[in-house]
Amino acid sequence: AQKVTQAQTEISVVEKEDVTLDCVYETRDTTYYLFWYKQPPSGELVFLIRRNSFDEQNEISGRYSWNFQKSTSSFNFTITASQVVDSAVYFCALSGEANFGNEKLTFGTGTRLTIIP
Amino acid sequence: NAGVTQTPKFQVLKTGQSMTLQCAQDMNHEYMSWYRQDPGMGLRLIHYSVGAGITDQGEVPNGYNVSRSTTEDFPLRLLSAAPSQTSVYFCASSYWGQSYGYTFGSGTRLTVV
Repeated sequence: AQKVTQAQTEISVVEKEDVTLDCVYETRDTTYYLFWYKQPPSGELVFLIRRNSFDEQNEISGRYSWNFQKSTSSFNFTITASQVVDSAVYFCALSGEANFGNEKLTFGTGTRLTIIP
Repeated sequence: NAGVTQTPKFQVLKTGQSMTLQCAQDMNHEYMSWYRQDPGMGLRLIHYSVGAGITDQGEVPNGYNVSRSTTEDFPLRLLSAAPSQTSVYFCASSYWGQSYGYTFGSGTRLTVV
């Protein structure tokens, strides 16, 4: 069975600080996909990144960066120089290789990030 | 291109009432799914479909029915609403395979009193 653990329930940081959101996953699949979604106070789910299990390169997109380490089954998300607009709930998710049932997303419980002005 | 459209956005039901949450996508995605979001529990899969005529249960299917008669539509039916079904419901769709990720609807907030 697949499992995603986001141990940080809530995090508060002062604006402009860097913050890292942790994500640890469990799967027996050799091919799998990891995702991060943002849920702002308005409630919609915003796709941030998708990473497949064969690509361990870290990725940077503006102030956002992601660290994928298969050795520790982690896919952590760092926001550099945080801004108030980053305040949201962030979800890490996992899916298996496309096959009947394996493509469904398994979500972590989310981390509520509050950026204090 | 509307993406994934969910209706209604808000709904209040009395215990025992039935209703259908609508989900439609215009991206020709094969895969569609329903999730519910409850505080502290993330999103949990209710039902999913890999194509017209094919559906299967997810993690929390009890109390919900689905059907997939067309590629575009994937309605979720509550036959006899219970207070435990108070939640925010999200519909999501994707192409077959994982190269493109999922597109989520804007959600339906359901309250059962």
